[in-house]
Amino acid sequence: SSELTQDPAVSVALGQTVRITCQGDSLRSYYANWYQQKPGQAPVLVIYGKNNRPSGIPDRFSGSSSGNTASLTITGAQAEDEADYYCNSRDNSGSLLRVFGGGTKVTVL
Amino acid sequence: QVRLQQWGAGLLKPSETLSLTCGIYGGSFSGYYWTWIRQPPGKGLEWIGEINHSGSTNYNPSLKSRVTISVDTSKNQFSLKLSSVTAADTAVYYCTRGQYNGDYDYWGQGTLVTVSS
Repeated sequence: SSELTQDPAVSVALGQTVRITCQGDSLRSYYANWYQQKPGQAPVLVIYGKNNRPSGIPDRFSGSSSGNTASLTITGAQAEDEADYYCNSRDNSGSLLRVFGGGTKVTVL
Repeated sequence: QVRLQQWGAGLLKPSETLSLTCGIYGGSFSGYYWTWIRQPPGKGLEWIGEINHSGSTNYNPSLKSRVTISVDTSKNQFSLKLSSVTAADTAVYYCTRGQYNGDYDYWGQGTLVTVSS
């Protein structure tokens, strides 16, 4: 079982905004990182730390955090954003161990 | 540009040892956490463990008794060994580069390892 909890699936209309959440006790102390994974491909880092985007990631992706919940927001979702999204952070003990959320399937309608 | 290239056997029998190696090209070995992550077919990502340039390791407690991650700095490579595999270890295995905050910015291409008798 994962120590980070994500909703299994969400859908969003083309051009609209969708928020994907990740819940876990460790998120009260540590930031979540977010990954996008399309079928048959390796995951791609889209948000890291407080709200940082790697080079090449569109600015429609943003991150935020409150209490034990981290969020990834896609503002103006595009068809190519349809993918699985995973969060990761440290585990509950605050050690150097890492955990991933179970993933959220985003469907763009 | 950093590139990770991984290789290893893709088909194993139960009780055998999984062995994968990841080569690091175009970047420094120091200052990062070199990590293995796996993904069973149709399922989510699972963190296996990590090693830094000095050889310090951290492992997923659920796999710790069977996992060894090692590094060869002279070759810019790190490796994964997972002993006594079962069908439950069937997955795509990825090598990645991790930053201090656990964000993985470069990934290998992935290796599907199937455990079957």
